[in-house]
Formats: sequence, structure tokens, C-alpha cells
Amino acid sequence: DQQVKQNSPSLSVQEGRISILNCDYTNSMFDYFLWYKKYPAEGPTFLISISSIKDKNEDGRFTVFLNKSAKHLSLHIVPSQPGDSAVYFCAASAGNQFYFGTGTSLTVIP
Amino acid sequence: DAGVIQSPRHEVTEMGQEVTLRCKPISGHNSLFWYRQTMMRGLELLIYFNNNVPIDDSGMPEDRFSAKMPNASFSTLKIQPSEPRDSAVYFCASSQQGALGKAFFGQGTRLTVV
Repeated sequence: DQQVKQNSPSLSVQEGRISILNCDYTNSMFDYFLWYKKYPAEGPTFLISISSIKDKNEDGRFTVFLNKSAKHLSLHIVPSQPGDSAVYFCAASAGNQFYFGTGTSLTVIP
Repeated sequence: DAGVIQSPRHEVTEMGQEVTLRCKPISGHNSLFWYRQTMMRGLELLIYFNNNVPIDDSGMPEDRFSAKMPNASFSTLKIQPSEPRDSAVYFCASSQQGALGKAFFGQGTRLTVV
């Protein structure tokens, strides 16, 4: 059973606007959450993370929000740029194991 | 550091043949993961090693899949016999335990079983 879910397989956003990618999880034992970005023919690369003791973490244009009661996290990209077009994977960790969602393909339209 | 190195990048094989995927983790990392990427399940954890010891192989789909880590700098994922439904991109990742869970991925091996 999928413990980490990304229900939107794709998202299109105009350049300069905000991109919001969502992720839900089922296991309350997860204590660390990450977002990875993946370009075609490349491996995923780490983007941003958040510990379960926080509800927000910001890094430049990227902000991750965590709502533990709803078991939901989101990634906000603002302003969105064409170079942000990629597949974004949400991941959750318990101990040193990582569980990934199915990914959301983001297209930023110039 | 060269990062996580996987070989081959692409593999095309006939159904029933043995396939071996290889991975060299980042030096100093003591955790290694094998993932399979499919459209339906995204990045699916197959097996996880810590200090060369398999910790959790519950994600390995069938007995046809096996993984080894004979030393800290090398791991293999073997499929024998291979089937068309094994076609996917297989990623290896490594991390340093305690480093806040950040894993570094290789570029993947695209496996096609015909």
C-alpha cells in the first residue's frame, strides 16, 4: 500500500506565478519529509526537507509546509520559473528508510 | 566526489535472461537503497542496506530479485529470470546515517525486458 501519495500527476503553471505541489502520507511514525526534483534521464536530486517538529521550512523560492494533524505537506515555488519544470517527488522517512510518492510533473509555461 | 555511480545506464535483455545492475555509493555513506521507478508506484523502495547488511527487503517484489552488498563500495541488484514487467528505471541511492535523512541518487539504469 502506498504510504506516501501525490494525487496530482501533473500541474501546469504560468511563469512568475506560484506552484503548489501536494503530498499526503498515512504513517504517523514518519518524522522527516523531503522533496526531490527529477529531470528526464537523471536521478532525483534533493530539494528541501522539513522535520516533523516544524511546520514550515523556507529556502529561497521554495517553501515546504507540514500539517501533521492532516498528514499533509506541500511545496510552494514562487515565483515559478521555466527551469523548475520537472517531476517532483515527495518522500517521508522513518528511521533511515525513505518512502516516495508517485511524483507530480510540473510544467512552468513561459 | 563523483556521486552515486550506476551501471549500465541502459540494459535491454530478453525475457528469461539474468540481469545484474551495479551501484557504487558515495564514499563514506553507510546506507544504500535500491529503488524502482514506475508510473503506477513512483519510486518504490526495493531494499535497504546499512553497513553492508540488508535491513529491509520487504519491497523486493519476488524471489527472482536479489541484492547483495559485499563491501561498502559496491552493490548489485540481480533479476533472474527477467520478465517484461520488470522493465523500469532502477535507482540506487546512498546516505550517511544520521545526516538528516538526505539520500543521493545515481542516474539510474533503464531496464527493458523484451
